[in-house]
Amino acid sequence: DIQMTQSPSSLSASVGDRVTITCRASQGIRNDLGWYQQKPGKAPKRLIYAASTLQSGVPSRFSGSGSGTEFTLTISSLQPEDFATYYCLQHNAFPLTFGGGTKVEIK
Amino acid sequence: QVQLQESGPGLVKPSQTLSLTCSVSGDSMTNDADRWNWIRQSAGKGLEWIGQIEASGYTNYNPSLKSRVTISADLSRKQFSLILNSVTDTDTAVYYCARRGRRGGWSFDFWGQGVLVTVSS
Repeated sequence: DIQMTQSPSSLSASVGDRVTITCRASQGIRNDLGWYQQKPGKAPKRLIYAASTLQSGVPSRFSGSGSGTEFTLTISSLQPEDFATYYCLQHNAFPLTFGGGTKVEIK
Repeated sequence: QVQLQESGPGLVKPSQTLSLTCSVSGDSMTNDADRWNWIRQSAGKGLEWIGQIEASGYTNYNPSLKSRVTISADLSRKQFSLILNSVTDTDTAVYYCARRGRRGGWSFDFWGQGVLVTVSS
């Protein structure tokens, strides 16, 4: 299985901060990666697909980068509605696997 | 707009069978570039992909669950189903159905709201 190591597992930040979350794959996955936001009691919502393509309707403060084994989700200016848990997903090989999540909390 | 909705019992006894159905609207389910998936989320193991089915009926399963899982589809009813046998308390989770496919870049683009299934006697 491809292991997706996500860091940090949690972070505290203020509104307006720039936030960066990283996912590392245990082997190369090209750009076969998505990023998701999940709020309590809700299903995950896709933010980014193909590592760097912004999902329609998602604010442009979200961006993704990377290829191969290292990927980054950046929130350029954190907004109150962005406090949530974020997950990466690799779909390069079966079984599909998720990162362990990053909980973004209010400082 | 594609919508998915899970349904099924919220409580299953240990050693019995978990059975869930996902109803799809806004999509015919017949596009051979789409995959219809089950995913679960528990406090202990985070998000776990269970498996998927294509319009042809071809399936892929997570090896960790493969011996206990069956995913099937009824395209005429626009539904696909999950059966998980011999459940234990570690199968307690929120179960989601989701679509992925070529049109959506192959990651999950549409999800159901999720259904909590508790395994308990």
